[in-house]
Amino acid sequence: DVKVTQSSRYLVKRTGEKVFLECVQDMDHENMFWYRQDPGLGLRLIYFSYDVKMKEKGDIPEGYSVSREKKERFSLILESASTNQTSMYLCASSRTTIGAGGYTFGSGTRLTVV
Amino acid sequence: AQSVTQLGSHVSVSEGALVLLRCNYSSSVPPYLFWYVQYPNQGLQLLLKYTSAATLVKGINGFEAEFKKSETSFHLTKPSAHMSDAAEYFCAVTPSSNTGKLIFGQGTTLQVKP
Repeated sequence: DVKVTQSSRYLVKRTGEKVFLECVQDMDHENMFWYRQDPGLGLRLIYFSYDVKMKEKGDIPEGYSVSREKKERFSLILESASTNQTSMYLCASSRTTIGAGGYTFGSGTRLTVV
Repeated sequence: AQSVTQLGSHVSVSEGALVLLRCNYSSSVPPYLFWYVQYPNQGLQLLLKYTSAATLVKGINGFEAEFKKSETSFHLTKPSAHMSDAAEYFCAVTPSSNTGKLIFGQGTTLQVKP
């Protein structure tokens, strides 16, 4: 069964901490994505990557960075966590051309910054 | 720019009643269209997809959707709602450039009353 695995389901961090959210996929997908999901705002794209060591800003990149050193792993980094980054974070992957595939999502990480 | 509009952020139906969740898209070329479902505290799961084959698409759990080009719609239906269908539903479309990035609607929360 193909999977996108997010390392933590629930995470509590303090304001100002550097936070790493990890995502690993086993489908050899080229594309990987990080979204945050907030009530009433739907899914908002933070960053995405089309290939190893490549990254593109999404709609809300401020306060975040990403790393993709290997094809299967895409990390989201909160450089200095703030309370307004409390949210559900979703990782997804897809083939280069969406075609019939769409995205495969991880189970999400619910991050609380206190 | 392409966009997706889901009419109604909350829909409530009685168990056994018809489910209708509305999705309209804007696209200059025939798109790929998707419906995803999200159960509480989980990631998004693909429900069904339209990829320019049959206009009536059948998905998992008894859901189906019909692509209507003249109305630029891709509404999701199920003849008889179950309590287990209570979840959030997202419609998504690929950009015309087929870069591998999906554009999501804001989501519709389906409540099923006993």
